[in-house]
Amino acid sequence: QVQLQESGPGLVKPSETLSLTCTVSGGSINNGAYYWSWIRQPAGKGLELIGRIDYSGNTKYNPSLKSRVTISRDSSKNQFSLTLTSVTAADTAVYYCARVDVSFWFFDLWGRGTLVTVSS
Amino acid sequence: QSVLTQPPSVSGAPGQKVTISCTGSSTNFGAGYDAHWYQQLPGTAPKLLIHDNTNRPSGVPDRFSGSKSGSSASLAITGLQAEDEAVYYCQSYDSSQSGDWVFGGGTRLTVL
Repeated sequence: QVQLQESGPGLVKPSETLSLTCTVSGGSINNGAYYWSWIRQPAGKGLELIGRIDYSGNTKYNPSLKSRVTISRDSSKNQFSLTLTSVTAADTAVYYCARVDVSFWFFDLWGRGTLVTVSS
Repeated sequence: QSVLTQPPSVSGAPGQKVTISCTGSSTNFGAGYDAHWYQQLPGTAPKLLIHDNTNRPSGVPDRFSGSKSGSSASLAITGLQAEDEAVYYCQSYDSSQSGDWVFGGGTRLTVL
């Protein structure tokens, strides 16, 4: 059974860099049937797509975050990562990693999410 | 504002039927892109509820059903139960601007 687990600091200072990792267990991120994505959700608000990476390392980002976001992958560790630079309080949110079906474009598997707070 | 519009809230009594709408446009549902639905129970991650407009993943009760017509999609829940109280999100692909997956703003279902 495939599972996703987010990890990383829960507190980041303003203007610094947020870094999170999603570890995939029970399946391979090299599986071409899926994209691997990051989504965030501020408290009490809706879901915002951050971006995705495919099995060959191609990425696509939300235009509103594109200048600050990098998503990368480490096949040897079966992980993919999110880096968000120059964070502000507006980046405080629960961050989810999720798997996306390549053919039909739905998010079929989600991690539990991790709360990241931006504060000094 | 999301390109997919959902009512902020709906409610119903146990045993009743509720419907949640998701209104799109010619760049998403109207262009033929599918509707997908997620259920987010309090304090948990979203869970896939309906994919490709009408299909339920294994384990999702048949009380949940989806439909799509033109530029809109709907989620129906029959035989409402207290455990259905959650926020429901629709999702699709939108071809405007840079083109990408989009979520509706979410609808909070209250079981009275």
